[in-house]
Amino acid sequence: GAGVSQSPSNKVTEKGKDVELRCDPISGHTALYWYRQRLGQGLEFLIYFQGNSAPDKSGLPSDRFSAERTGESVSTLTIQRTQQEDSAVYLCASSPDRVRLNYGYTFGSGTRLTVV
Amino acid sequence: GDSVTQMEGPVTLSEEAFLTINCTYTATGYPSLFWYVQYPGEGLQLLLKATKADDKGSNKGFEATYRKETTSFHLEKGSVQVSDSAVYFCALSSRETSGSRLTFGEGTQLTVNP
Repeated sequence: GAGVSQSPSNKVTEKGKDVELRCDPISGHTALYWYRQRLGQGLEFLIYFQGNSAPDKSGLPSDRFSAERTGESVSTLTIQRTQQEDSAVYLCASSPDRVRLNYGYTFGSGTRLTVV
Repeated sequence: GDSVTQMEGPVTLSEEAFLTINCTYTATGYPSLFWYVQYPGEGLQLLLKATKADDKGSNKGFEATYRKETTSFHLEKGSVQVSDSAVYFCALSSRETSGSRLTFGEGTQLTVNP
């Protein structure tokens, strides 16, 4: 597509429920990234995909968080047994290749997750 | 490891004032440098970038010069507008070590009053 698309744009869920967040990167972008942004704070790296594999998942905060990517395209971030501290905006970004080639990222508009 | 340090906010200016947001970095090798902007309720957008020393990135009246000797990439604008109110993030990509992701600063909130 023309840009990075994320869905849903807003999600309110009850504590303890599982949620799935979706990211559609720009067509042909091989690199895909997930970040978390808590209210009023900076960007927290979660995971990076190159193609369908995740060479760097060091930012996932706990084993309740997982992500996958299929067809070198869509990615899904899953949070199991959500907690209130999971409330944040989850941002997805894609890049034509690894950022050492200076392209930077194109970000989606994010999914605002609220756990009540 | 790589790191980016931005001046702390929030920054509040009157319309048409001069803006500087300081950014310094630590990285091995020769990183590429970026400024991203996040308008209220939106995702981050690339504002400008510079890929080698002494390069000047510019866009929408904003400028930043890659200064290797001072390891800095300060963002400037000569005359800010109310519509420039946003959060600004400095970031780097190191060719030598990072490879997998951008390293972001903490962000600086800018508010421009009419």
